[in-house]
Amino acid sequence: GENVEQHPSTLSVQEGDSAVIKCTYSDSASNYFPWYKQELGKRPQLIIDIRSNVGEKKDQRIAVTLNKTAKHFSLHITETQPEDSAVYFCAASWDSGYSTLTFGKGTMLLVSP
Amino acid sequence: DAGVIQSPRHEVTEMGQEVTLRCKPISGHNSLFWYRQTMMRGLELLIYFNNNVPIDDSGMPEDRFSAKMPNASFSTLKIQPSEPRDSAVYFCASTPREGSNQPQHFGDGTRLSIL
Repeated sequence: GENVEQHPSTLSVQEGDSAVIKCTYSDSASNYFPWYKQELGKRPQLIIDIRSNVGEKKDQRIAVTLNKTAKHFSLHITETQPEDSAVYFCAASWDSGYSTLTFGKGTMLLVSP
Repeated sequence: DAGVIQSPRHEVTEMGQEVTLRCKPISGHNSLFWYRQTMMRGLELLIYFNNNVPIDDSGMPEDRFSAKMPNASFSTLKIQPSEPRDSAVYFCASTPREGSNQPQHFGDGTRLSIL
């Protein structure tokens, strides 16, 4: 089955800096890669996703890049703010017909004012 | 859109007791997923349903765990008998329609503590 590795496990940045979280996956058949943000005590919420026919996608301060050859994808957050502090999860899905996701272990991002 | 609704939000019970967690997916969503989240193991997929039919329950840890989806708007996850190692946050999620690559929408979770 699919295996998703996520690094780093914790990331501390100063407000205004950029943050990058990286994930690798094992199954070359995976073709959908969402990112979820989970604030303390809250539910995971989808913040951005990318499909395998696209190499990069941006939404304001957030961007995701995908390298299918190397089987890795990354989340980039620019101009970080304290409210960006949360745990971020990457995930991968293959065309199974049922949208099942395999999640990485998560990255705790701390943005200091 | 009320979102995915889970109940209870918190459950504290003694080991050996039966625990039932409930989930109401977003109206019109076809697929429903149950997850368990712990610090050590992260988010683990336990079981998922498509059109109320269980598709894959290989993530269910033991026979003590069972899940049902009697209709399109309701699912339960039951643990009997419960054990302290079952303590975790249990999430339910649903997706809009059949097919792959649909975003999953999560409920607020049930924080379960088994004493």
